[in-house]
Amino acid sequence: DAKTTQPPSMDCAEGRAANLPCNHSTISGNEYVYWYRQIHSQGPQYIIHGLKNNETNEMASLIITEDRKSSTLILPHATLRDTAVYYCIVRARLLNTGNQFYFGTGTSLTVIP
Amino acid sequence: DAGVIQSPRHEVTEMGQEVTLRCKPISGHDYLFWYRQTMMRGLELLIYFNNNVPIDDSGMPEDRFSAKMPNASFSTLKIQPSEPRDSAVYFCASRWGTSSREQFFGPGTRLTVL
Repeated sequence: DAKTTQPPSMDCAEGRAANLPCNHSTISGNEYVYWYRQIHSQGPQYIIHGLKNNETNEMASLIITEDRKSSTLILPHATLRDTAVYYCIVRARLLNTGNQFYFGTGTSLTVIP
Repeated sequence: DAGVIQSPRHEVTEMGQEVTLRCKPISGHDYLFWYRQTMMRGLELLIYFNNNVPIDDSGMPEDRFSAKMPNASFSTLKIQPSEPRDSAVYFCASRWGTSSREQFFGPGTRLTVL
């Protein structure tokens, strides 16, 4: 499975864009990049995923480099409720079975008033 | 839909006791996952099921841990005997299908073994 590397922590001012980087240099061609977040004491929450094109939804944008070796999750206008641990995950595809998610330690984002 | 349901939400037990954690996946989901989260190791996949069949239990730490899924709407994770190092938050998640679909997580069970 491709490994991911994220900075352990980041701060962001409220109302500004939060840009969370992730390196996944060993990603293979059919592996997707997923982002989840976990707010304290809650279960992880899905944010967004992509394969090679940039993606946007109501929560965030995902920018994937052309070589797919890194990506950036963008929260366009961070609020205090976005304070959480953000996990960048590369989905492993197991032949004839299913897909697993391997979570690393993530990036702890603190949004500052 | 009520989402993934886990019980109990909190469990405190003494070392050596048997602990059973329960999960009800979202109706219609055919994949179920058990995770454990600790400060030291982050979120780890323990085992997952497809159509009630265990597919990969390589993440189960040792023989004291066992998981079952007797039907599509219920799964258990059992620890016998429990040890203090098993203290963690245990999450259950479910998903439908094998394409690039998200997993839905339950609220977790916080286990403390004294």
